[in-house]
Amino acid sequence: DTAVSQTPKYLVTQMGNDKSIKCEQNLGHDTMYWYKQDSKKFLKIMFSYNNKELIINETVPNRFSPKSPDKAHLNLHINSLELGDSAVYFCASSQDHGMGNYEQYFGPGTRLTVT
Amino acid sequence: RKEVEQDPGPFNVPEGATVAFNCTYSNSASQSFFWYRQDCRKEPKLLMSVYSSGNEDGRFTAQLNRASQYISLLIRDSKLSDSATYLCVVTSYIPTFGRGTSLIVHP
Repeated sequence: DTAVSQTPKYLVTQMGNDKSIKCEQNLGHDTMYWYKQDSKKFLKIMFSYNNKELIINETVPNRFSPKSPDKAHLNLHINSLELGDSAVYFCASSQDHGMGNYEQYFGPGTRLTVT
Repeated sequence: RKEVEQDPGPFNVPEGATVAFNCTYSNSASQSFFWYRQDCRKEPKLLMSVYSSGNEDGRFTAQLNRASQYISLLIRDSKLSDSATYLCVVTSYIPTFGRGTSLIVHP
């Protein structure tokens, strides 16, 4: 039973394309996150949703648009992909947000390569 | 000054050694602190939360020093399987990860 799952695991695409990554959690958590881990392994938060509402939106280009159809799902759509978007994207969830007091559980990651 | 700083290492230690990592943070309003472990090409996994009173889980001990704004992780009796990158996370409202400290345990 995978707690936090992401699809696809690998994504190779050309510059200028639009792509989506899907994330689902079966933990019954209220809060979900998207992180980007670059080639230097630095893990940086992009967005967070609590019960389908956006609560954290870091300085991310407008080309990135998260969507949460329900609290178990948080998808990430990326328009006009650029070389610099190549990274591993991790989805995570936590029971709640509450000033970050809750442990996060991560999905296996989506390795995006833009050529 | 970066928000969360860690020595990237690598720390190269023999099996059975004791090793300690520190992580400093700049935001004095930070509320929550965690250590995560990340294996190569895998997702981060929670190792332990860090409390002001300190906490221990088997061979792992975590401490928080609010006055000096750092957290620490001590690993006793290192095993080969402890080889990984250890990430500290500091949260005021937004979770902020350190860049991680690489640990290599050799026979």
